[in-house]
Amino acid sequence: AQTVTQSQPEMSVQEAETVTLSCTYDTSESDYYLFWYKQPPSRQMILVIRQEAYKQQNATENRFSVNFQKAAKSFSLKISDSQLGDAAMYFCAYRTLNNAGNMLTFGGGTRLMVKP
Amino acid sequence: KAGVTQTPRYLIKTRGQQVTLSCSPISGHRSVSWYQQTPGQGLQFLFEYFSETQRNKGNFPGRFSGRQFSNSRSEMNVSTLELGDSALYLCASSLGDTPNQPQHFGDGTRLSIL
Repeated sequence: AQTVTQSQPEMSVQEAETVTLSCTYDTSESDYYLFWYKQPPSRQMILVIRQEAYKQQNATENRFSVNFQKAAKSFSLKISDSQLGDAAMYFCAYRTLNNAGNMLTFGGGTRLMVKP
Repeated sequence: KAGVTQTPRYLIKTRGQQVTLSCSPISGHRSVSWYQQTPGQGLQFLFEYFSETQRNKGNFPGRFSGRQFSNSRSEMNVSTLELGDSALYLCASSLGDTPNQPQHFGDGTRLSIL
């Protein structure tokens, strides 16, 4: 079974600064997807960014980018030019490609606070 | 396009009762997944339905069950409620045909057991 670990329960960043959230995972599979989801107080989980394991290029979505280190099984999220609206819980998630289903395995989450 | 709709938003029940939660996916989406979110256990996968068939199941007792209708709407049922069932229940939908399709989540149903 796969496991996902987020070692930082809380992080804080100054507005306009850059912050990196860590995620490590354990799997014996070679092909899979990794995701970062954001959950603001409104509760809805919002997809921030995703990475296919077979792609060596790191995914980027505007101010959000990842550092995917497949050999190290590491998948960190970098948020540049942090904004107040970035304050939320961030979850790293793993999805196997070994079955046709949509099951996600989530990490424990990191609460990001943004200081004005 | 309307998003994933979960009803009700809040629910209060007592131990021993049963409850049914509803999830309407985005139009055209055939896969619906359910997750339980608690402070202690985090986000845990319950089950997934695709074209009215259960495609995946998490490690939850048989008191947790679900179904999907022909219009892809899904319901989740919990029988003989326990205090530990208090949680935010999230539903997610996707097209479900290929693995690269993202899941879209609803706002969740907050279930409190007294």
